[in-house]
Amino acid sequence: DAGITQSPRHKVTETGTPVTLRCHQTENHRYMYWYRQDPGHGLRLIHYSYGVKDTDKGEVSDGYSVSRSKTEDFLLTLESATSSQTSVYFCAISESGQIYGYTFGSGTRLTVV
Amino acid sequence: GESVGLHLPTLSVQEGDNSIINCAYSNSASDYFIWYKQESGKGPQFIIDIRSNMDKRQGQRVTVLLNKTVKHLSLQIAATQPGDSAVYFCAEGPGRDDKIIFGKGTRLHILP
Repeated sequence: DAGITQSPRHKVTETGTPVTLRCHQTENHRYMYWYRQDPGHGLRLIHYSYGVKDTDKGEVSDGYSVSRSKTEDFLLTLESATSSQTSVYFCAISESGQIYGYTFGSGTRLTVV
Repeated sequence: GESVGLHLPTLSVQEGDNSIINCAYSNSASDYFIWYKQESGKGPQFIIDIRSNMDKRQGQRVTVLLNKTVKHLSLQIAATQPGDSAVYFCAEGPGRDDKIIFGKGTRLHILP
């Protein structure tokens, strides 16, 4: 996806270990979002950022933290991974923060064993 | 492919036929709606959008219909092609705290 890169694309980790997922954008957009996608659910918002060092919780934020020290990078950290955090994680960016204009990354498939 | 698709309703359509994918949205106050396409191993991609002051909008081979009375949204794809095979889901907004609400999606399967 042009302008937005997620890394890693795939990761397998053990329960109880810390994990950090990275979202990098080259669009200089103000807003960045982390979603998770699971069977039986629509995309659910974990955390979002509306500027450098400005972040807020979404609907499923428990067990996750985020950091944004630069406009281009938004990090999602699972402090102590659990099996319930096995999911596909998507980052999205938006210039305006409005519903229109979201661009999604290609996702990170995380498996916690 | 993405395991997220395994639990989704599936619509099977013959190649060349028209496809109609439906979505019931939840918030009568939503004033903007988007359809996304998600191919296996990729992130969602914008297809077409519609505002609540419209009831129909057409794009290239796609049409979105909005029925606010019954809170229903549909995506029509004309002359369905193999490349249309994907999961399609709707989104509405602004949602809670001005955030988007995403639907669960429908898998479109193209029959040869």
